[in-house]
Amino acid sequence: AQSVTQLDSQVPVFEEAPVELRCNYSSSVSVYLFWYVQYPNQGLQLLLKYLSGSTLVESINGFEAEFNKSQTSFHLRKPSVHISDTAEYFCAVGKTGANNLFFGTGTRLTVIP
Amino acid sequence: DGGITQSPKYLFRKEGQNVTLSCEQNLNHDAMYWYRQDPGQGLRLIYYSQIVNDFQKGDIAEGYSVSREKKESFPLTVTSAQKNPTAFYLCASSSSTSLWSYEQYFGPGTRLTVT
Repeated sequence: AQSVTQLDSQVPVFEEAPVELRCNYSSSVSVYLFWYVQYPNQGLQLLLKYLSGSTLVESINGFEAEFNKSQTSFHLRKPSVHISDTAEYFCAVGKTGANNLFFGTGTRLTVIP
Repeated sequence: DGGITQSPKYLFRKEGQNVTLSCEQNLNHDAMYWYRQDPGQGLRLIYYSQIVNDFQKGDIAEGYSVSREKKESFPLTVTSAQKNPTAFYLCASSSSTSLWSYEQYFGPGTRLTVT
């Protein structure tokens, strides 16, 4: 069964427009949620994470995500995107009792000038 | 600077040859992981190791082997038994301390092309 679903494989958006990248997960146990960003031919960099506490988490470059337990979602948002945000974004879930992260299939964000 | 190094960045091999990908970390992390990335499929776990001299198969271990003789090193061998070895390979590590063990740090990756 799919643990993490990223509904959009590609999201084109104009520069300075808002964007939302969707992530839903399936789990019956406590989860820990992550968004990673990958630039071409590079490894993954942690963008933001939810481990506990406030359900709204923010990154240093203007992205935010909100853990919604009832919707089992952790959507990533940014109010105004830049050209430099063009990259692939991966949602990942850690589950209590599991030894590894479960990754979504990724969303390629393309910012159009 | 602390981090994870993978070498080489690009690797080319002939079909039928075994090849070993290097992964080294100086973060003092106990756990290390190998993922394979193919277009449109996200990351798939090959092997992981929670501690030295111990490792576990992930979702797609067939055709791969690993060793964990040192805490800092987790090399991956792609054997000739792996039917489709051409891919981007990512190594990661995490600490073993409670919640923080879920946060993984990634290396820059090795792109393997087998012809």
